[in-house]
Amino acid sequence: SYELTQPPSVSVSPGQTARITCSGDALPRQYTHWYQQKPGQAPVLVIYKDSERPSGIPQRFSGSSSGTTVTFAISGVQAEDEADYYCQSADSSGTYPVVFGGGTKLTVL
Amino acid sequence: QVQLQESGPGLVKPSQTLSLTCTVSGGSISSGNYYWSWIRQPAGRGLEWIGRISASGTTIYNPSLESRVTISVDSSKNQFSLKLNSVTAADTALYFCARGVFWTGYYSYYYMDVWGKGTTVTVSS
Repeated sequence: SYELTQPPSVSVSPGQTARITCSGDALPRQYTHWYQQKPGQAPVLVIYKDSERPSGIPQRFSGSSSGTTVTFAISGVQAEDEADYYCQSADSSGTYPVVFGGGTKLTVL
Repeated sequence: QVQLQESGPGLVKPSQTLSLTCTVSGGSISSGNYYWSWIRQPAGRGLEWIGRISASGTTIYNPSLESRVTISVDSSKNQFSLKLNSVTAADTALYFCARGVFWTGYYSYYYMDVWGKGTTVTVSS
């Protein structure tokens, strides 16, 4: 199987920058996408193709890629950003066309 | 804007078949380069992709579920459906349907930009 690895939790104070990593062997060759999920709600796409923001997503949300690790960042974190965040990508062979990371719980202190 | 709504039984007996339908409104299931996905999430756990289908019926499934899954599309009703057979308690989850943007080229990609609210399915006798 193919796995994407995320830290289980990240904590930041309001106004700081939160960074969540996602690691996988195929990430140098595959785009990564990020979803935000608040309790009791469906996931929402917040970053696609490593660093693109969908319409309506705040500019403080960003993404970057370097080798086998991609990073999702929220600058100037607000209380409303507290949520679970999932990365999503694929393996290189096409056997696993959609894989989610295990998710990261972002806590705003 | 496009909206998706899952529907189906909330309770399924072990060994039986789980059947869900996703109804697409606000747009045609046949327009654009979209592939339509099913994803599930056990309570308190992460997301698991089940599979996807194109408007023309091309499917691809998660290898871990492939032997038990069938996804189909009915363009005349603007719906796509999920069947998961031989269910066990491990299939108890919140099931989402989603629209996905698919591109194949030097760098192919697939991401899900519109999601339904989800429907809970419990497998129990």
